[in-house]
Amino acid sequence: QSALTQPASVSGSPGQSITISCTGTSSDVGSYNLVSWYQQHPGKAPKLMIYEVSKRPSGVSNRFSGSKSGNTASLTISGLQAEDEADYYCCSYAGSSTFEVVFGGGTKLTVL
Amino acid sequence: QVQLVQSGAEVKKPGASVKVSCKASGYTFTSYGISWVRQAPGQGLEWMGWISAYNGNTNYAQKLQGRVTMTTDTSTSTAYMELRSLRSDDTAVYYCARAFGDTIFGDWGQGTLVTVSS
Repeated sequence: QSALTQPASVSGSPGQSITISCTGTSSDVGSYNLVSWYQQHPGKAPKLMIYEVSKRPSGVSNRFSGSKSGNTASLTISGLQAEDEADYYCCSYAGSSTFEVVFGGGTKLTVL
Repeated sequence: QVQLVQSGAEVKKPGASVKVSCKASGYTFTSYGISWVRQAPGQGLEWMGWISAYNGNTNYAQKLQGRVTMTTDTSTSTAYMELRSLRSDDTAVYYCARAFGDTIFGDWGQGTLVTVSS
């Protein structure tokens, strides 16, 4: 399974909104509402931010939202804050004949 | 609170095996699966597989089939990941995570650095 495609980097100023895309295929993102998003600060373990395309775990700010259209999922962060600067990874179920999970290559978010 | 505590860093030679442990606390171990995810230096995340802590069922990433084995010990609430025939490109930080669903990894261990070098 190939990795999902994410932009290498995005940036925004405090208070602005940004969107990170995650493009897969009809075999993964397009077929299942099993897309999740993870935030990772340098040297730290990833943290779940969004699951099942658009659901937010308890404790995650409502500034984070997720959506999907066709083979592309998106993570939107509104009201950017300095602490949002991190790497973000999308993840999708990709199984058909076998159970498989695939991550995106990651996007570095810089808060200017 | 939920904690996943992993074993310490390892240095292995090519061709050797490594076994990483992940001790869970703060929840009913057998009610969730454990997934393993690795991250090579400066690279992205890679899903390695999943094990049910309830009945030991496993699903492994196709590229690791035949080299990886995941097990659990319910008496100690510990999950294990063994990787054999190590190569230099297996050098990575290995994470365990409590799996709420196929792609829902809600709690993570601190990571274990495995270095493969001659």
